[in-house]
This record gives sequence, structure tokens and C-alpha cells, in this order.
Amino acid sequence: AQKVTQAQTEISVVEKEDVTLDCVYETRDTTYYLFWYKQPPSGELVFLIRRNSFDEQNEISGRYSWNFQKSTSSFNFTITASQVVDSAVYFCALYGNSGGGADGLTFGKGTHLIIQP
Amino acid sequence: SAVISQKPSRDICQRGTSLTIQCQVDSQVTMMFWYRQQPGQSLTLIATANQGSEATYESGFVIDKFPISRPNLTFSTLTVSNLSPEDSSIYLCSVVGQESTGELFFGEGSRLTVL
Repeated sequence: AQKVTQAQTEISVVEKEDVTLDCVYETRDTTYYLFWYKQPPSGELVFLIRRNSFDEQNEISGRYSWNFQKSTSSFNFTITASQVVDSAVYFCALYGNSGGGADGLTFGKGTHLIIQP
Repeated sequence: SAVISQKPSRDICQRGTSLTIQCQVDSQVTMMFWYRQQPGQSLTLIATANQGSEATYESGFVIDKFPISRPNLTFSTLTVSNLSPEDSSIYLCSVVGQESTGELFFGEGSRLTVL
């Protein structure tokens, strides 16, 4: 069984602070993929990043960075110099392909990030 | 990336009625997924819809309550039947962006409120 845990239900920071969203996962698959999605108040889900289990290199994209630690089964997401527009719910998700073919993602419960001006 | 359009974007319905949500994709896709997001909750997969076959439902979801159609490779509908306030949720259609990695693209969602 797969499981994604986002222990932080809600985080509130002041604009320009750095903030890290935690994600811990469980899977028996040796090959799997991890995702982060952003859901702003408008409701749509925006794909942010995909990381496969064989690639533990950290990734940086502008103010966003991701830290994949296979040893601790974590895939944390950091926003540097946060902005009000970053306010959203962020979901971590997992896909394991042991069954062959896509059968949907397992989502964490989400972290509601509030950036105060 | 695929462009996914959902209709309606939001609706308010009376208890006991049904609502059909449409999902249109701008390219042909093999699999389409329907998710539910209850207020303040994460996303839960309802069913997988393949063209030409019956949808595959996840545990806790049944065809009588959530009938799905998939008439072609670019379109699907999800009906939520015999509505109750507990059905108030966002319903999201999604398609596979890259099958080998499970990456999904999502529609804008259909926000349903049942009175």
C-alpha cells in the first residue's frame, strides 16, 4: 500500500520568509515517482514537479526547491522569499508503477500555506 | 501538456437530484480519471475511465451512485446521482500527461454544493 503524509496542515508566514513543506511517503515499489501540485483558491491543480526514485538530485526552479531524501522517504518543498501569490494548498503525491500502467496518484492531505503581507 | 475543460465549473443542486459533469480534452487520451475533493480534504480517486470499456471504480465508490460515460478518446462525463449534502465537493477530471511516470494533468474542477 502507498501512503503520503503531509504532517503540516497549515503554515502561516510573513511575506519574504522562507518556508519548507514536508512530505513523507511509503511505498513498496522500487520504482516510483513523486509530485508536488499547487491548488490556489481558484481550485485548479497546478503541476509543479515530478521526481523519479532513481534521481536524488535536488532541484531548484526560481524560488522553489525540492529536497529528495530516499533514506528518510522524504520529498520536501521549500519556497524562498515567499510571496502572497504563493498562498495555496500544496499537495504531495506518489505514483508507484509496480502494477503497470497509470492507475491514479496517491495524494497527501495537503498543506495550506498562508503568506501574510 | 493537455488542455482539459470541465463543465459546469460550479453548481448548486437540490437533494435527491443528479448532476452530470463533462470533461473535454484537447487531445486523444487512453485513460481519464475522476477525483473527488471534499471540503478541506485531499483528492480521492473515484474511478478510471477507459474508452470502450466500463469504468473501474475504487473502493467506496459504485456505479449506481457515480455512473461514468466515455464515448470517445477526448470526452467523459461523471454523474453524481441522488445527491445529498455529503456529495458537496470539487470533482476533478484528469488525464495522464506521461503514462510511465503517472504524471497527471487536471481540469479546473467542478464545485458542487448540495442543499
